[in-house]
Parts: sequence; structure tokens; C-alpha cells
Amino acid sequence: SQWGEENLQALSIQEGEDVTMNCSYKTYTTVVQWYRQKSGKGPAQLILIRSNEREKRSGRLRATLDTSSQSSSLSITGTLATDTAVYFCATDQGGRALIFGTGTTVSVSP
Amino acid sequence: AQTIHQWPVAEIKAVGSPLSLGCTIKGKSSPNLYWYWQATGGTLQQLFYSITVGQVESVVQLNLSASRPKDDQFILSTEKLLLSHSGFYLCAWSLPRNSDYTFGSGTRLLVI
Repeated sequence: SQWGEENLQALSIQEGEDVTMNCSYKTYTTVVQWYRQKSGKGPAQLILIRSNEREKRSGRLRATLDTSSQSSSLSITGTLATDTAVYFCATDQGGRALIFGTGTTVSVSP
Repeated sequence: AQTIHQWPVAEIKAVGSPLSLGCTIKGKSSPNLYWYWQATGGTLQQLFYSITVGQVESVVQLNLSASRPKDDQFILSTEKLLLSHSGFYLCAWSLPRNSDYTFGSGTRLLVI
């Protein structure tokens, strides 16, 4: 998990497997975003989930948000080698700041 | 289509030398602009943000300064680089009251 007591920093899986990464946040927010950053590149927004949504899907991605426990998860189904990247969750502070978690490194082997 | 361009792509600079990094956004009017810093293997740390020309708010200074001389331009600078300034600098934009952030390709800085 990012920010939480259990920091799962890195995952290594085989292509085709599903993966879930977790994030807990301390600062109040109404929006949690998930980003993917490939080596040497800027992060790209994957999915955005708001406080009135418990779950959101986009293609092979599924994000959940539990505002009572201030936690979020991102799942990727049927991973591909091209999903290899660092995944960050981030809390949106109303346009003034985007606070990133510590990140989870996902390595997908062909 | 909107584009974000950062320059230079990479720099190797000496300790104590000045630095200027730039970011230009095309195709969007009055965007919110942000500077982030990322140590190798680390998370992104927000440095500055700006919601309008001439106004810049500091989040974490790290002996750096930022300016927004034009609506579509954001500059990060310092007069004296430190070794700790090494890392990856990212510019980002969003529209007011919109949570979609777009990041540039970044500038890799090595201070020696």
C-alpha cells in the first residue's frame, strides 16, 4: 500500500495475471486519481474516482474508493508486459495541489 | 489540440551554477500550472503552482523559484544549484475546477 503502514513497493507478475495495488491517504479529498509512470516519462492519468463513487472502471482498470477508511485501490486485469510501470495514487486538493503517494512498481514478465 | 512542452530535455550542471527550466502549454487558455520534482526512484513532490499570470504559490521551495511571465509559460529557476537539486522536473497543467492533470515529458537534471 502507498502511505499506509504496509508499504507494498514492488510487485512482479506474469503476463495475463491480475494485479491490485492499494493506497491509503491522510489528507481529506473528494477526488483520488491514479497515474502510471513509465521509465523516463512523465506520469499519465489513468483513472479518476470521486467521493460519491465507490467503484469506477475504464477498460482493464478498476478503481475503488472507501472514504470512510480513506483508502483506494487500483486493479488491472489481464496484465500485459506494457503495463510495467510505477503506479501512483494522488489526492486532488482542489486545483492547488496534487499529493502523490509513494508509488507501487509493477513488473510484468512476458 | 493542447500540448505541453518542457525544455531542455536534460541538463548536466555544476554546483553553484544557475538554472532555468521552461514549460509551455499550447491550446489552452488560463490553465493552472504546476512544477513537480522527483528524485530517482521516488515520488513526485509538488514545488509550485500558478493559477494566473504573475502569481506563483510555493509549496516546497528547495532553494528554487518559479515565475509565470505569460499565460502559457512557467519557468523554474535558481541562481545557485545544489547537489540535492538533481532529479526529474515535471511541469503539469489543469483547467480550473477540473481534476484532469496533464504532465510534460520532464527535464532530467544532474548536478555535479
